[in-house]
Amino acid sequence: DGGITQSPKYLFRKEGQNVTLSCEQNLNHDAMYWYRQDPGQGLRLIYYSQIVNDFQKGDIAEGYSVSREKKESFPLTVTSAQKNPTAFYLCASSPSGFPYEQYFGPGTRLTVT
Amino acid sequence: AQKITQTQPGMFVQEKEAVTLDCTYDTSDPSYGLFWYKQPSSGEMIFLIYQGSYDQQNATEGRYSLNFQKARKSANLVISASQLGDSAMYFCAMRGGYNQGGKLIFGQGTELSVKP
Repeated sequence: DGGITQSPKYLFRKEGQNVTLSCEQNLNHDAMYWYRQDPGQGLRLIYYSQIVNDFQKGDIAEGYSVSREKKESFPLTVTSAQKNPTAFYLCASSPSGFPYEQYFGPGTRLTVT
Repeated sequence: AQKITQTQPGMFVQEKEAVTLDCTYDTSDPSYGLFWYKQPSSGEMIFLIYQGSYDQQNATEGRYSLNFQKARKSANLVISASQLGDSAMYFCAMRGGYNQGGKLIFGQGTELSVKP
C-alpha cells in the first residue's frame, strides 16, 4: 500500500535537545511538506521541497531545519532554537501534476519539557 | 496576501441531515485551487474535495459537494446525509499558482459534531 509514514507517533524531549522527525513516502511524489499544528489551530507551513536536494522556507521556518537527499524522505529537525517546539507535526506529499493535492501522514506529537 | 477564513468554530448537525461549512478566501492570483480536508481525532488529514478557480461546475465527491461562488470568494463544503463518522475538524485550504510551490494555506477549521 502506498502512503506516508511518520515516526514516532509520540515523542518526548528535554528542553535544549535537538530532535529529528521522520517522514517517508512511497507514492513517488516529487513535492514534500512539513506543517505544524497547535491546539485549536489550522496548519502552518514550516518547510517544503519540490525536488530532491532543494527546499524552501515556509511561514514559520525559524528554529527548524530539513534535508531532502532522497525523493522518499524529508526529515525535519526541531532545534533548541525553536522557542515553542511542543506541537503536532504533519508531513505531506503531492504529485507534480495538477491539481497538486497533498496527502498527509499520521503526524508526530512532540512534547518538550 | 492569500488568506482563508472559516468563521464557524463549531457546528452541530442531526444525523442524516445536510450541513454547510463556510469558507471564504482572499487572493489576487487568477489561478488557484481550493481544498477541503477532514481531521478526525486521530490527527491525520484526509483529503475530501478539490475545486479549481477555472472550473465551471461545482465539485462533488460522494456525499461531499463544494458550493463555489467565485464572485463572493466563497467555497463552502456541503455534506449531505450526515453520519456519526463525519464528526471531526474540517479545514478549508487554498493553493496559489504554480509559482507558489504548491503550498497550502489553511483556515482555522470548523469542528463538526453529528448528533444521533
